[in-house]
Amino acid sequence: AQTVTQSQPEMSVQEAETVTLSCTYDTSENNYYLFWYKQPPSRQMILVIRQEAYKQQNATENRFSVNFQKAAKSFSLKISDSQLGDTAMYFCAFMKHEFGMRFGAGTRLTVKP
Amino acid sequence: NAGVTQTPKFQVLKTGQSMTLQCAQDMNHNSMYWYRQDPGMGLRLIYYSASEGTTDKGEVPNGYNVSRLNKREFSLRLESAAPSQTSVYFCASSELGTGAPAFFGQGTRLTVV
Repeated sequence: AQTVTQSQPEMSVQEAETVTLSCTYDTSENNYYLFWYKQPPSRQMILVIRQEAYKQQNATENRFSVNFQKAAKSFSLKISDSQLGDTAMYFCAFMKHEFGMRFGAGTRLTVKP
Repeated sequence: NAGVTQTPKFQVLKTGQSMTLQCAQDMNHNSMYWYRQDPGMGLRLIYYSASEGTTDKGEVPNGYNVSRLNKREFSLRLESAAPSQTSVYFCASSELGTGAPAFFGQGTRLTVV
């Protein structure tokens, strides 16, 4: 089974500082995709960043970047210059055609002023 | 510019009642999904449809049935609702296999009493 583990149920960070959210996954597949989604209190699911497993280069999107370690099956999200609007649940997800899209349990991030 | 539309947004059922959650997408995506979200457990995949005419079980299929009516629509049916099915349900769609992210509906909050 393809499983996704987020070991940090809750985290907090001061505004303008940097925080890293952890994600590990278990798969025997070689080609797949990984995502981070953000869910604010509105309940809407918002894509933050995506990574193709066949690409060695880590994805970046403005203040968001990932550290993708394929051999270790690790996919952490770094948020730089944290803003109050970053307060949300963050979900890591694994996607492969045969298995659909599987999510971790989430990390609740609070950005403190 | 609707994206993924779920109906209803809220529903209260009595134990043993049946209901169908409707989902439609207008992005011409091949793949559609149903998830449930419970506190501390993230989004768990109930069923998915990789393409029109196919459906597959996800992580938690028991107590649910699905129908991929056409390329646009994917419904989730609870034949005999139980309190354990109280949850927030999300429908999503994507182009599975391309690495494109999934787009989500706004969610349905279902309470079974």
